[in-house]
Amino acid sequence: EIVLTQSPGTLSLSPGERATLSCRASQSVSSSYLAWYQQKPGQAPRLLIYGASSRATGIPDRFSGGASGTDFALTISRLEPEDFAVYYCQHYGTSPFTFGPGTTVDIK
Amino acid sequence: QVQLVESGGGVVQPGRSLRLSCAASGFTFSSYAIHWVRQGPGKGLEWVAVISYDGNNKYFADSVKGRFTISRDNSKNTLSLQMNSLRTEDTAVYYCARPHSGNYFAALDIWGQGTMVTVSS
Repeated sequence: EIVLTQSPGTLSLSPGERATLSCRASQSVSSSYLAWYQQKPGQAPRLLIYGASSRATGIPDRFSGGASGTDFALTISRLEPEDFAVYYCQHYGTSPFTFGPGTTVDIK
Repeated sequence: QVQLVESGGGVVQPGRSLRLSCAASGFTFSSYAIHWVRQGPGKGLEWVAVISYDGNNKYFADSVKGRFTISRDNSKNTLSLQMNSLRTEDTAVYYCARPHSGNYFAALDIWGQGTMVTVSS
């Protein structure tokens, strides 16, 4: 089973700042099979990034994804008020399709 | 519009069973695998199970293997998750979710609103 570790657990930032979230896989994960989701309280998750770096439909270009080996990153270039939420990574190349534990981005 | 709607959640005693449903609309249901993902109170997302577009292939998380089964009726655009021998740790919001391409090796771009399952004596 591939275990995903996300860091930091919480990121406290101000609107307009840059956010960089990390997701590390316990073994090789093809970049084609790594996604990022955003979840706000009381809502279902929303797909942001798939294939490590492709934005989903309707996702603003301030969200970007990258990969280097078993390390993946989600970057929000300039935080908007609506971006304060919890972010999860997930791999989907093989079962079980595990999620990371999440990173909370909250307002400083 | 493209939509998934879960139902069937509720309060159930440990050891009992519950059946969740997921109704799909707005897309060709029979062309897509569908996943179940759950989220315990105050916890992160946990992948539970997936069924292929034709129902012939199914995969489960170790935490539910042997207790949960998944099935679909493509003529009715519905998906079911049969949960047996429920445990308190199964308490969660259960979401059905659709991959953005037909097979299960794709990110989940359509999610239902979730249905709450509480396992408690």
